[in-house]
Amino acid sequence: QVQLVQSGAEVMKPGASVKVSCKASGYTFTSYTMHWVRQAPGQRLEWMGWINAGNGDTKYSQKFQGRVTITRDTSASTAYMELSSLRSEDTAVYYCAKGAGYSGYDPVDYWGQGTPVTVSS
Amino acid sequence: DIVMTQSPDSLAVSLGERATINCKSSQSVLYSSNNKNYLAWYQQKPGQPPKLLIYWASARESGVPDRFSGSGSGTDFTLTISSLQAEDVAVYYCHQYYSTPQTFGQGTTVEIK
Repeated sequence: QVQLVQSGAEVMKPGASVKVSCKASGYTFTSYTMHWVRQAPGQRLEWMGWINAGNGDTKYSQKFQGRVTITRDTSASTAYMELSSLRSEDTAVYYCAKGAGYSGYDPVDYWGQGTPVTVSS
Repeated sequence: DIVMTQSPDSLAVSLGERATINCKSSQSVLYSSNNKNYLAWYQQKPGQPPKLLIYWASARESGVPDRFSGSGSGTDFTLTISSLQAEDVAVYYCHQYYSTPQTFGQGTTVEIK
């Protein structure tokens, strides 16, 4: 069965960077996209970007352009999301989510358990 | 950006009764070349990640009970729970994947009356 297992909770200082991992199993990692979505307390889900796990192409939300980098390690079936120049407004639960297709224009059909990231001085 | 607006923000429904959630997009999410609406619905329970219920506006995900159904096209969509069960208490989100950035509605909380 499809599983996405994310790295653990993080507490970061403002201005720092955080890197969250997402290890996939139960499907062919390189045949699908991996999305990153965050949810701040009491807020709606917010899409950050995706990576085509096969060819490495990426697409980011303009809101995070320049601060977010999504990468993958195909040998480890793991995707990564790095967010830099953290500020308090970045406090949220960060989810990886498997795209149902290869194009990036598909629904997401499986989600990781979420990684809480707290930004506080 | 496409803005997704759900209504109502919350609703309380008696067990066994129908629950209806609406979602309106600020522009059409219907792709004319394949006649597909790029619209999904998710259910999120406290402390859990979202779960896919409906995609392409009306296709039910495998394993999702048939009391959940989706309808609509273009800019107006509806999620219907035909007979509310206790385990359906959750927040429901619509999601457009037609264009970047992909966007979500603000969520609708469904409770038992």
